[in-house]
Amino acid sequence: GENVEQHPSTLSVQEGDSAVIKCTYSDSASNYFPWYKQELGKGPQLIIDIRSNVGEKKDQRIAVTLNKTAKHFSLHITETQPEDSAVYFCAASSNDYKLSFGAGTTVTVRA
Amino acid sequence: SAVISQKPSRDICQRGTSLTIQCQVDSQVTMMFWYRQQPGQSLTLIATANQGSEATYESGFVIDKFPISRPNLTFSTLTVSNMSPEDSSIYLCSVEAPRRTQYFGPGTRLLVL
Repeated sequence: GENVEQHPSTLSVQEGDSAVIKCTYSDSASNYFPWYKQELGKGPQLIIDIRSNVGEKKDQRIAVTLNKTAKHFSLHITETQPEDSAVYFCAASSNDYKLSFGAGTTVTVRA
Repeated sequence: SAVISQKPSRDICQRGTSLTIQCQVDSQVTMMFWYRQQPGQSLTLIATANQGSEATYESGFVIDKFPISRPNLTFSTLTVSNMSPEDSSIYLCSVEAPRRTQYFGPGTRLLVL
């Protein structure tokens, strides 16, 4: 099955700086890569996703890049704010719709 | 995006008992899923809830322990049977939306004593 590795496990950044989270996947058939943000006591919230026919996607302060050859994808958050503090999960799936999740990254934005 | 609710939001249960978790979505969806998130861990897919047929379970999860119902296209239940402290987790349902996006409910936080 699919194996998704996520790094780092924790990330502390100064408010206004950028945060980058990286994931690698093992199954070359994977073609859909969502990112979720989970705040304490809540369910995961989809923040951005990318499909294998696209190399980069941006939505305001959030961007995701995909390198299919290397089987890795990354989340970039610019101009971080305290409300960006949360646990972020990457995931991957192929045509069977089942999501395989990374271990998660706890992001702390210091004011 | 779909609006998903879960009941109960949290519960404390005694070992050996069972708990049924409900998941309701505000629109008809083809695919619904149940995940488990153990304390401080990532999400693991338990099963796909199929409308009109048996759920499809992932490796390591069995129907006797986690029976699932899917009576229609907006509702599903997950039962955690004969609970032990190791079942203490967050249980999440999700739904498949157009273009393969998945949206999650708020979760049910279960503590087994």
